[in-house]
Amino acid sequence: AQSVAQPEDQVNVAEGNPLTVKCTYSVSGNPYLFWYVQYPNRGLQFLLKYITGDNLVKGSYGFEAEFNKSQTSFHLKKPSALVSDSALYFCAVRDRANQAGTALIFGKGTTLSVSS
Amino acid sequence: GAGVSQSPSNKVTEKGKDVELRCDPISGHTALYWYRQSLGQGLEFLIYFQGNSAPDKSGLPSDRFSAERTGGSVSTLTIQRTQQEDSAVYLCASSLAGTSDYNEQFFGPGTRLTVL
Repeated sequence: AQSVAQPEDQVNVAEGNPLTVKCTYSVSGNPYLFWYVQYPNRGLQFLLKYITGDNLVKGSYGFEAEFNKSQTSFHLKKPSALVSDSALYFCAVRDRANQAGTALIFGKGTTLSVSS
Repeated sequence: GAGVSQSPSNKVTEKGKDVELRCDPISGHTALYWYRQSLGQGLEFLIYFQGNSAPDKSGLPSDRFSAERTGGSVSTLTIQRTQQEDSAVYLCASSLAGTSDYNEQFFGPGTRLTVL
């Protein structure tokens, strides 16, 4: 069965420091991986995705994520956090091998809090 | 508008009443998804529509939940005989879809349903 784990409910960082939001996944085949961000009272916004190729993926707002097949991880990173990055972050996966299942499987979400 | 829209933004209803939630996807997106977001449960997939194919209803929690998509565009999620545990934010998403399902999903702002 497909699953996504975000081991941290909350991540706290100071503005200007690097941030990492962790994600690990489990699929039977090769994954499509996504990160979304949700600001208060808003829908989810797409940040970036991994399909194939380069393991380091760059996305919106200066975020990037590294796909690590051996560790089945797809951690979200940013070199220098901004207070405006404070939000709820979701990792999601789709199993390429699962042709019948088309929806994304989401992690529980990680709240990022950036202090000034 | 350019994005996914949902209505109403908020809905308060009494236990046992039926409710209808509406989603207008992005024009040209053939795939449409409904998710439910509740505290402690994260994002749960409910139902998926792709073009004229039979919908994937595998995520619907009970037979009180149903959805339809008319003309391949607008979708309505109906919850009959609402229960308090149905209280959640219902999110709709759409995406370009084809043989390769790695397209990102675009989410609407959600409908917050409160069942008293």
